[in-house]
Amino acid sequence: QVQLVQSAGEVRRPGASVKVACKTSGYVFNSFGMAWVRQVPGQGLEWLGWISAYKENTNYAQKFQDRITMTTDTSTTTVFMELRRLRYDDTAVYYCARTDSYIRESSWSDLWGQGTLVTVSS
Amino acid sequence: IVMTQSPPTLSVSPGERVTLSCRASQSVSSDLAWYQQKPGQAPRLLIYDVSTRAPGIPARFSGSGSGTDFTLTISSLQSEDFAVYYCQQYNYRRPVTFGGGTKVDIK
Repeated sequence: QVQLVQSAGEVRRPGASVKVACKTSGYVFNSFGMAWVRQVPGQGLEWLGWISAYKENTNYAQKFQDRITMTTDTSTTTVFMELRRLRYDDTAVYYCARTDSYIRESSWSDLWGQGTLVTVSS
Repeated sequence: IVMTQSPPTLSVSPGERVTLSCRASQSVSSDLAWYQQKPGQAPRLLIYDVSTRAPGIPARFSGSGSGTDFTLTISSLQSEDFAVYYCQQYNYRRPVTFGGGTKVDIK
């Protein structure tokens, strides 16, 4: 079955880091890319960046450039997104979303994970 | 690139024709997609490349436009279509951006 299954929700203190996992299955892992998108509850969608599952090159939104890292693990066909120096306004649902190309950094997403709620609270 | 959707909310009766608008602050060529999101769910791809329906998407959904002005049309709104709709631009070598969304609710 073609799907993306994300890790469970997390609670972190301000200043801490969080690493969200996105386990893929049912398709050829390195033929696609993966974007990460977040959504503050009740608000719209915000693109965080993209990673190629083939070459592992990345493209991060400028806003997150200095505190985000996306990686892949080909052996487990899992993609990871780590966000550091968390702030209260990072509280959001984080989605992984497959993109149609492992080359093109900006693209549409046809397959989404279920979302991971990251709560930043003291 | 800033994407602006209008209206923010649309109240519609089942069976009506619905037209949602999305405007880009600069040309995005044909690099435009539409998503549907229901409460508690992830977004679902409806349309990409302005007018290509994603697999499994009913024919009542159609997209049009080019450059900076785009439209999503639902020819006859069904009960399962009440949701929030987002446009997304993915112009080559530009950061991806989404519109603020249009909520379609029951009149």
